[in-house]
Amino acid sequence: GQQVMQIPQYQHVQEGEDFTTYCNSSTTLSNIQWYKQRPGGHPVFLIQLVKSGEVKKQKRLTFQFGEAKKNSSLHITATQTTDVGTYFCAGQAAGNKLTFGGGTRVLVKP
Amino acid sequence: ETGVTQTPRHLVMGMTNKKSLKCEQHLGHNAMYWYKQSAKKPLELMFVYSLEERVENNSVPSRFSPECPNSSHLFLHLHTLQPEDSALYLCASSQDLYARNNEQFFGPGTRLTVL
Repeated sequence: GQQVMQIPQYQHVQEGEDFTTYCNSSTTLSNIQWYKQRPGGHPVFLIQLVKSGEVKKQKRLTFQFGEAKKNSSLHITATQTTDVGTYFCAGQAAGNKLTFGGGTRVLVKP
Repeated sequence: ETGVTQTPRHLVMGMTNKKSLKCEQHLGHNAMYWYKQSAKKPLELMFVYSLEERVENNSVPSRFSPECPNSSHLFLHLHTLQPEDSALYLCASSQDLYARNNEQFFGPGTRLTVL
């Protein structure tokens, strides 16, 4: 079955620094979504990417969909304490349901 | 507010108890999901319903029994649970199961503790 893997599992970041988290699928995807779960909260949808090579930005967050539509990345610049949480990617192959990755838990050091 | 509500928000139960978790979505969605979230497995899909029909059961023990009486409501009946079942149980819904723009909306979860 379809598998979605995320690395790293944990990311310790100094406030103000940049970091990137990666998402890889075992199958070609029709779309990929990203979610953020704040501590004590529930996953909340951030964005969806559909096109090969697509890049979308949300303020300090940059999302990219790979050319082969099997991987994606989330890059955060100038990390702030409000970025703390777990970031999940979720991939969907054509005719299949959405499958979530294991998440990257982000901890920010002030 | 995401349009998905869950009750109760917190539940403590003994191993011999029977309890039920309730999820309600006000979004007109056709698909609903139960996830288990613990430190070991951040988002573990348990059950999937589409148009009130169960379409997926991911090898979940029979002590968890889902029920979907209509497209807006989803229950998870709990019976003779084990301490390792303690976790956050999240309900989610989406417009359809296989649609391309298929964002999932999560409820706040039920924090379950089994003593």
